Amino acid sequence: QITLRESGPSLVKPTQTLTLTCTSSGFLLHTSGVGVGWIRQPPGKALEWLALIFWNDDKRYNDDKPYSPSLRSRLTITKDTSKNQVVLTMTNMDPVDTGTYYCAQISEASGWRHYFEYWGQGILVTVSS
Amino acid sequence: DIQMTQSPSSLSASVGDRVTITCRAGQNINNYLNWYQQKPGKAPKLLIYATANLQSGVPPRFSGTGSGIDFTLTISSLQPEDFATYYCQQSYSSTWTFGQGTKVEIK
Repeated sequence: QITLRESGPSLVKPTQTLTLTCTSSGFLLHTSGVGVGWIRQPPGKALEWLALIFWNDDKRYNDDKPYSPSLRSRLTITKDTSKNQVVLTMTNMDPVDTGTYYCAQISEASGWRHYFEYWGQGILVTVSS
Repeated sequence: DIQMTQSPSSLSASVGDRVTITCRAGQNINNYLNWYQQKPGKAPKLLIYATANLQSGVPPRFSGTGSGIDFTLTISSLQPEDFATYYCQQSYSSTWTFGQGTKVEIK
């Protein structure tokens, strides 16, 4: 069974940097799917895509670390296969960044058609002083 | 960014109804279109990938069609467990985007 889990602080102060970790249970992240993505959801609102990271050279996008254009300057996604984790950092946190943050495994159908196949349960992050 | 627009934003339906949700892309996305279901307090769940491929374990009452810019998710006979919010998502461009969601409520 594919299980992903997000971890990190539940509360951060404005201007601080948020660091979230995605890890897996029962399997190695980099041996399943083609990568991992991060998605967030403000309370009561829609899903917002944040970033992707691919295990190998991405053949479709020519960019193995795509970021949301509106958040690109604040986001960094990295992978550490030795620790079986993917880390997302977001700088200069603001109360509007409050929400549930999800990591999800990227799978691939023919023709490099990617999708989020398995999701973590999510972690609620509140930004408040 | 490729904007994804879903309609309607919400709908009320009865058990047994046929329900159709549409998703329109801001440009041609070929068939790089996925659908997810989300229930309150839960993570989204993949229903359909690459426009029309049913994810393993998803009931066959769910189906997806479309191409280019217009896509449709259909639930052939709505069941009590299908009341949820549904999202489309494109993976055509390197910067993925989700639709704003369609909430399916009980009539």
